[in-house]
Amino acid sequence: QKEVEQNSGPLSVPEGAIASLNCTYSDRGSQSFFWYRQYSGKSPELIMFIYSNGDKEDGRFTAQLNKASQYVSLLIRDSQPSDSATYLCAVPNTGGFKTIFGAGTRLFVKA
Amino acid sequence: SAVISQKPSRDICQRGTSLTIQCQVDSQVTMMFWYRQQPGQSLTLIATANQGSEATYESGFVIDKFPISRPNLTFSTLTVSNMSPEDSSIYLCSARPGTGLTGELFFGEGSRLTVL
Repeated sequence: QKEVEQNSGPLSVPEGAIASLNCTYSDRGSQSFFWYRQYSGKSPELIMFIYSNGDKEDGRFTAQLNKASQYVSLLIRDSQPSDSATYLCAVPNTGGFKTIFGAGTRLFVKA
Repeated sequence: SAVISQKPSRDICQRGTSLTIQCQVDSQVTMMFWYRQQPGQSLTLIATANQGSEATYESGFVIDKFPISRPNLTFSTLTVSNMSPEDSSIYLCSARPGTGLTGELFFGEGSRLTVL
């Protein structure tokens, strides 16, 4: 089992719809969870992080965490064509010295 | 936050040669990391570079192939040695500012290497 798993997609949604991105992780000791966005040809940039079970909202983005199920998700409301990118789930390992990235989900938002 | 400058941004290299990538952070950071991202793939951690100690390499990566230096808290280099076409990739430097172990990573713009 990979340490951090994501559906690689591509995920295609119409403009204005909700995009749902999912991630599972294997290290039960992980305490923090990050979502990065990577545009083609660019470096990853952080868009959300979450530490506690439940939901965390920031603008159009909502991160959801369920530690018992080892599951973290990212919802993008009112999706825009500019949201088209690869979304990377990232999980520091127990001890936090290194961060493991999932394979990334490619999102396409159709105008 | 941290601003990370990486160079070269891209290079075309001949098989058997070596190339050193430089990474400069605008603030002192304890932990720096080197990732590789092959075309269409996610980020794979090569090694963790800590100032004052040897780099810690991940499985599948060895010091002879990817020697790393970390002479101070704002600078690191990664050398890709004896390159082959399989080393063609984007190499990303990243850093975690602050004292926390689980904070945000900041990335340089990457170095795109093509080995002929």
